[in-house]
Amino acid sequence: DIQMTQSPPSLSASVGDRVNITCRASQSVTTYLNWYQQKSGEAPKLLIYATSSLQSGVPSRFSGSGSGTDFTLTISSLQPEDFAAFYCQQTYSIPPTFGGGTKVEIK
Amino acid sequence: EVQLVESGGGLVQPGGSLRLSCAASGFTLSSYWMHWVRQGPGKGLVWVSRINTDGGSSTYADSVKGRFTISRDNAKNTLYLQMNSLRAEDTAVYYCARDGTVRYSDAFDIWGEGTMVTVSS
Repeated sequence: DIQMTQSPPSLSASVGDRVNITCRASQSVTTYLNWYQQKSGEAPKLLIYATSSLQSGVPSRFSGSGSGTDFTLTISSLQPEDFAAFYCQQTYSIPPTFGGGTKVEIK
Repeated sequence: EVQLVESGGGLVQPGGSLRLSCAASGFTLSSYWMHWVRQGPGKGLVWVSRINTDGGSSTYADSVKGRFTISRDNAKNTLYLQMNSLRAEDTAVYYCARDGTVRYSDAFDIWGEGTMVTVSS
């Protein structure tokens, strides 16, 4: 199985901050890397697929980059509604595996 | 509206069984592979199982292989997860999710709201 490691596990940031979350795969997943946002008590929501493609309806302040084993989710200007947990996921091989998550909290 | 709604969760004793359902609406279920994903209390997301469009092929996480069975009834627009020999470590919220196909890099583009399964005596 491909192991996905996210960092940091949590971070505190202020509204308007630029936030970067990284995800590292134990082997290459080419560009089969997706990002999800999960607010407390809710189901996960797809934000970005195929490393950098924005899901319909997702604000343009979210972006993704990377390839191979190293990926980044960037929020260019953090908004109050962005405080949540974020998960990366590889769908390059079965089983599809998720990172451990990054919880973004209010500073 | 495209929607997935899970049901069937609850409290069950260790060794017991439960069947989860996931009702799809707003899209043609038979066109999509489907998945189950679970999340233990305070934990991250863990993939459980997937099934192809006609139900003829399925795959499982090692942790549930031989105990869980995924199935679907496309005529009823419903996905199922039969869970047998349940253990305390199966306690989680169970989500069904739609596979967005290669167009979306096989990302899970639609999720249900989840159903809670608690395994405890």
